[in-house]
This record gives sequence, C-alpha cells and structure tokens, in this order.
Amino acid sequence: EPEVTQTPSHQVTQMGQEVILRCVPISNHLYFYWYRQILGQKVEFLVSFYNNEISEKSEIFDDQFSVERPDGSNFTLKIRSTKLEDSAMYFCASRARLAGESYNEQFFGPGTRLTVL
Amino acid sequence: AQSVTQLDSHVSVSEGTPVLLRCNYSSSYSPSLFWYVQHPNKGLQLLLKYTSAATLVKGINGFEAEFKKSETSFHLTKPSAHMSDAAEYFCVVSEPTGGGNKLTFGTGTQLKVEL
Repeated sequence: EPEVTQTPSHQVTQMGQEVILRCVPISNHLYFYWYRQILGQKVEFLVSFYNNEISEKSEIFDDQFSVERPDGSNFTLKIRSTKLEDSAMYFCASRARLAGESYNEQFFGPGTRLTVL
Repeated sequence: AQSVTQLDSHVSVSEGTPVLLRCNYSSSYSPSLFWYVQHPNKGLQLLLKYTSAATLVKGINGFEAEFKKSETSFHLTKPSAHMSDAAEYFCVVSEPTGGGNKLTFGTGTQLKVEL
C-alpha cells in the first residue's frame, strides 16, 4: 500500500541552524501539506502546496519557513534559522484530487521529531 | 473559522467494554469531519470520515461515528474495545480553501485499554 515517508525520523540541531525536513508524498497525489505538533499540544496546520506554489499558509509559517518540491517526488520544509520554539513533531501529508470529491483523505507520514537545542 | 473540541484528554476502558470518545465542532460551512488515530511512533491514520452523506459513518477496526448537526457533535464509538485500540485519537474538521482542504485538529484523546 502506498504511503507517505519522511526523513529523518529525528533531527537534533542547534538554535540558529538551518534544517530541511524531507517528505516523499504518495506518487499520484497533487496536494501537499505540512503540519506540526508541539509536545503536549494539538496538531497545527502550517502550509498547503499545489501546482508548485503555496496555496495557503498559517500565521506560524513566517519568513523563516519555506517549502519546495525540488523534483517530481520530494517535498521539503526548510527552517532557515531555528528557534527553541520550533521543537516539535512535523508531519507531512498528501492528498489526491478526485473529480467531484472535495474532502478526500489526507495521508500522513510518520513525522520528523525536531529538537532545537 | 472552524474549531474542534475534544471533551476528554484521557479515556480509560476495560477490554471488551464500549468506547466513547467525544467531539464537538464549530463550523461556518457544512463541515467535513474526520477521526484520525495515532499509535506510538506511527503516523496519523484515518479511521473514518463524514462528508455530508450518511450521518452514521463506519470506519476501520469496528469504529463508527454519528454526525449530529443539532448537537454539533461527532462522537466516536466502538462496541467492544481491544488492547490494540490503545492510541491517541484526533477529531478533525476540514475547511475548504483555494488550494485544497485545510485540517483543523482537536487536542486529542488518549485511549487506554486495560485488561
């Protein structure tokens, strides 16, 4: 069964460093998402991406964040200069586009745990 | 703006007894609602979804949920809990956006199943 994969599973970095979190969405999916979950808090939407551009972003997704689909398979989240408060689990998700069905399922990856020291 | 409230942060049941995880939502639109489950060290897996078809929705692993518009609720139930059901459960509402649907999550309910 196709699945979304994410690497690495755990990333430790120093404050101020750049990190890139990688995701491989399901191959025929067209919509891509990043969410994050700070320990003990709810899962929060960060950004959605479609047709090679950001379609929506939350207020969390400031200038320190960027997303990219550098090739036909990967979808990356870059944090330019990490802060302590960026420590969280980051989930990638992807969704197909089915004609006549607006709310089809988002498939989630297992997450990358980012720890900023 | 849409929101979801999960009324219990922790629920503990005995194996073989019914499960009830409560969820209330707020939405300006006719909502699409989901329940996701997260097992330890695993990703988020869809249990079931409501998208304006039947109000009683059946999902995987014997779970079901009933959409009640008058009560703005979408509670998750299972007649008989199994040890493997122990996990965190998220009630989620979908908001249509220009480029797709954005999911808004509840705070989660940790389900513990005891022998």
